[in-house]
Amino acid sequence: QVQLVQSGAEVKKPGASVKVSCKASGYTFTDYYMHWVRQAPGQGLEWMGWINPNSGDTNYAQKFQGRVTMTRDTSISTAYMELSRLRSDDTAVYYCARERATVTSGVGYWGQGTLVTVSS
Amino acid sequence: DIVMTQSPDSLAVSLGERATINCKSSQSVLYSSNNKNYLAWYQQKPGQPPKLLIYWASTRESGVPDRFTGSGSGTDFTLTISSLQAEDVSVYYCHQYYSTPYTFGQGTKLEIK
Repeated sequence: QVQLVQSGAEVKKPGASVKVSCKASGYTFTDYYMHWVRQAPGQGLEWMGWINPNSGDTNYAQKFQGRVTMTRDTSISTAYMELSRLRSDDTAVYYCARERATVTSGVGYWGQGTLVTVSS
Repeated sequence: DIVMTQSPDSLAVSLGERATINCKSSQSVLYSSNNKNYLAWYQQKPGQPPKLLIYWASTRESGVPDRFTGSGSGTDFTLTISSLQAEDVSVYYCHQYYSTPYTFGQGTKLEIK
């Protein structure tokens, strides 16, 4: 079965960077786009971007352009999301989430989430 | 960006009764070449990631109870729970994947009356 296992919670100071990992199993990693979505405490869902694990191509939301980098390591079926120049309003649970199918059809599978806390 | 607006923000329904959540997109999410609406619905319980319920606006994900129904086209969509069960208490989100940046509605909190 499809599983996405994310790295553990992080506490960072403003201005620092954080890198969250997402290890995939149960399917061919390079066949499905991987999305990153975040959720601030008590708030809704915010899409950050996607990566094509096969080619490494990325598509970032304009809001995060210049601060976010999505990468992957196909040898270990793991996707990464790095966010730099952290601010207090970046405090959120960050989810990796796999496309439901090999064609665009919505996000079907979610990781358990990684809480990133930005605090001085 | 496509703005997704859900109504109501919160809803209280008696067990066994029907619950209806609406979602409106600021532009059409119907792709004319394949006649598909690029619209999904998710259920999220506290402390858990969202769970996909419906995609293509009306296709139920495998394993989702048939009391959940998605409908609508173009810019106006509805999620209906035909007979509310206690386990349906959650926040529900609509989501467009028609164009990037993908966007979500603000969420509708569903409670038991």
